[in-house]
Amino acid sequence: KQEVTQIPAALSVPEGENLVLNCSFTDSAIYNLQWFRQDPGKGLTSLLLIQSSQREQTSGRLNASLDKSSGRSTLYIAASQPGDSATYLCAANDYKLSFGAGTTVTVRA
Amino acid sequence: DTAVSQTPKYLVTQMGNDKSIKCEQNLGHDTMYWYKQDSKKFLKIMFSYNNKELIINETVPNRFSPKSPDKAHLNLHINSLELGDSAVYFCASSQGQGSSTGELFFGEGSRLTVL
Repeated sequence: KQEVTQIPAALSVPEGENLVLNCSFTDSAIYNLQWFRQDPGKGLTSLLLIQSSQREQTSGRLNASLDKSSGRSTLYIAASQPGDSATYLCAANDYKLSFGAGTTVTVRA
Repeated sequence: DTAVSQTPKYLVTQMGNDKSIKCEQNLGHDTMYWYKQDSKKFLKIMFSYNNKELIINETVPNRFSPKSPDKAHLNLHINSLELGDSAVYFCASSQGQGSSTGELFFGEGSRLTVL
């Protein structure tokens, strides 16, 4: 059974700092991994999808890496802004998506 | 134009009642899902349908019955509601399933409170 862990559970940084969010999964036989953002009281918004054959994926200030063999993915957010404050979830797809509990990020102005 | 819309947004009901949540997607996706997010914010899949066919049915009490009349709609009916059913229920859709699952798009959620 796939288990996904996200560390840390919460993170608070001053504006402008780079963010590093970690995701680990127990079964490396995944097809892809997705990162999502969830704002309070809202649904999830897809940020990046990395296929199992890819090492990284970039979109604007966001960069996600995937090391399938070690069961890890990292989401980097450059030059953080207060608008980046949200909960970030990763989900590993090994036929169905298994979600981590998320990292709640606060960016202080 | 909302991509994945679910109604109602809030439901407050008594134990033992039956309730339904509706979901519609206008993205042309062939796969739809129901997820449950509990009070600890943990998101867990309940059901998945591909082209109206059930493909994932997690260990969910049979009081929960999904129905997909067409590939753009996936409804969730819950019988004999219990206190533990209180949660936020999310509908989502994607193109493809299993190894070819694309990005998931989520609705805003339906917050169910059972008193």
